Amino acid sequence: DTAVSQTPKYLVTQMGNDKSIKCEQNLGHDTMYWYKQDSKKFLKIMFSYNNKELIINETVPNRFSPKSPDKAHLNLHINSLELGDSAVYFCASSQDWGGRSPLHFGNGTRLTVT
Amino acid sequence: AQSVTQLGSHVSVSEGALVLLRCNYSSSVPPYLFWYVQYPNQGLQLLLKYTSAATLVKGINGFEAEFKKSETSFHLTKPSAHMSDAAEYFCAVSQGGGGADGLTFGKGTHLIIQP
Repeated sequence: DTAVSQTPKYLVTQMGNDKSIKCEQNLGHDTMYWYKQDSKKFLKIMFSYNNKELIINETVPNRFSPKSPDKAHLNLHINSLELGDSAVYFCASSQDWGGRSPLHFGNGTRLTVT
Repeated sequence: AQSVTQLGSHVSVSEGALVLLRCNYSSSVPPYLFWYVQYPNQGLQLLLKYTSAATLVKGINGFEAEFKKSETSFHLTKPSAHMSDAAEYFCAVSQGGGGADGLTFGKGTHLIIQP
C-alpha cells in the first residue's frame, strides 16, 4: 500500500494548457503539502493544508490553485502553463501541523511544459 | 526565520570510507532537524530526526547525526559507505511552533560512491 500517492507520474503538455495533479494519503495525517523541486534539486514549499484549511501559501503565481476536498486529498490545478513551470512536484503529508512531525512524500510528478 | 546551509553540493567517497555530509542551521528558537534521502526518480524518505531528546540521533541504513547547538550544526555520518548510499541528501529545519515557514530544506548534497 502506497502511503502518499500522486498521479500522474509524468505530465507533458504545451504552454497555455491547464492541468491537474492529484494526491492522496492513506496515513490518516492531518496536514498535506505541495513542494516544487527545480532542475537543481532545490525544494520549495508551495502550499500546506491542515484539516482542509489552507495554512501556507507561499509566493506562487495565482495560476496555481490547490484544492482539498477532504483530509486525505490535496490536488493541484495549474492554469495557463508556462515553460518555467517545468519541474517535479511533490505531494507530502505529516501527522500534524507545526513542523514537529516528519513529512511523508509521494514519488513526484515530473511536469514538462513545451 | 529559519534557514539551512549544506556545505558541498557534491561529495565523493570510496566504498567502505566514512561518509560526512555537513549541515548548518539558523533558527530563532530550538529547532527540529531532519535528514532526508532521495534516490533517483523517487520522493524523499526520512533518514532521521532530532526533536530535542538525545543529541546523537541514529537513523536508518546505518546513518547517524549529532546535534551541536554551539556550532548550530547537524552533520550526517556513516562509518562505512555502501554503493547503495549513492543519492541526494537533504537537511531540513523547522521551528516546531506552527510557524508559517513550515519545514525549510537545504539545497541538497549529491553523494557519489566510488568503487
